[in-house]
Amino acid sequence: QVQLQESGPGPVKPSETLSLTCTVSGASITNSYWTWIRQPPGQGLEWIGYAYYSVSTNYNPSLKSRVTISIDTSKHQFSLRLTSVTAADTAVYYCARLIRGIERRFDLWGQGTLVTVSS
Amino acid sequence: DVQMTQSPSSVSASVGDRVTITCRASQGISTWLAWYQQKPGKAPKILIYGASNLQSGVPSRFSGSGSGTDFTLTISSLQPEDFATYYCQQGNSFPYTFGQGTKLQI
Repeated sequence: QVQLQESGPGPVKPSETLSLTCTVSGASITNSYWTWIRQPPGQGLEWIGYAYYSVSTNYNPSLKSRVTISIDTSKHQFSLRLTSVTAADTAVYYCARLIRGIERRFDLWGQGTLVTVSS
Repeated sequence: DVQMTQSPSSVSASVGDRVTITCRASQGISTWLAWYQQKPGKAPKILIYGASNLQSGVPSRFSGSGSGTDFTLTISSLQPEDFATYYCQQGNSFPYTFGQGTKLQI
């Protein structure tokens, strides 16, 4: 059974860097597109970006200057790094698997982790 | 970016009702459209992809249709566990974008 689990250090102060990790179990991390999606409290979903086996990345232009998604195959993890955060970055952050090709969809999701940006 | 607009934003219904939710894309997206269900405090769950393909394990009372810019999600006979928020998502071009959600209430 494939499972995704987000983890992170907790609250972040404005202007600092948000770092989250997603641990993948039950699936190969080397042949899938791993993505981050966020949801501000009471609002809708925003796709942040994806990484594919250190071969390619693709980021939402609205966040591109501040975002890095990377994969650590040895730890079976992928990570999100978002710099210079503000209160607007407060959200539940989900890691998810993106299926590309003709059956494209986000088919597996982590449970989500709330990140609060506050001084 | 492709804008996804759902209607209605919220709908009230009863167990056994048939409910239809609409999603409109700001430009043609062929059938690159997925639907998700989200319950409070939980991650979204994929229901439909490719506009009309039912994800494995999803009850057959859920169905999707449409192509181009106009899409619908239909629940044929509402069950108590179906009361949730539903999101459409386009997969035609990056950045992938979601609709604002439709809250289905009792």
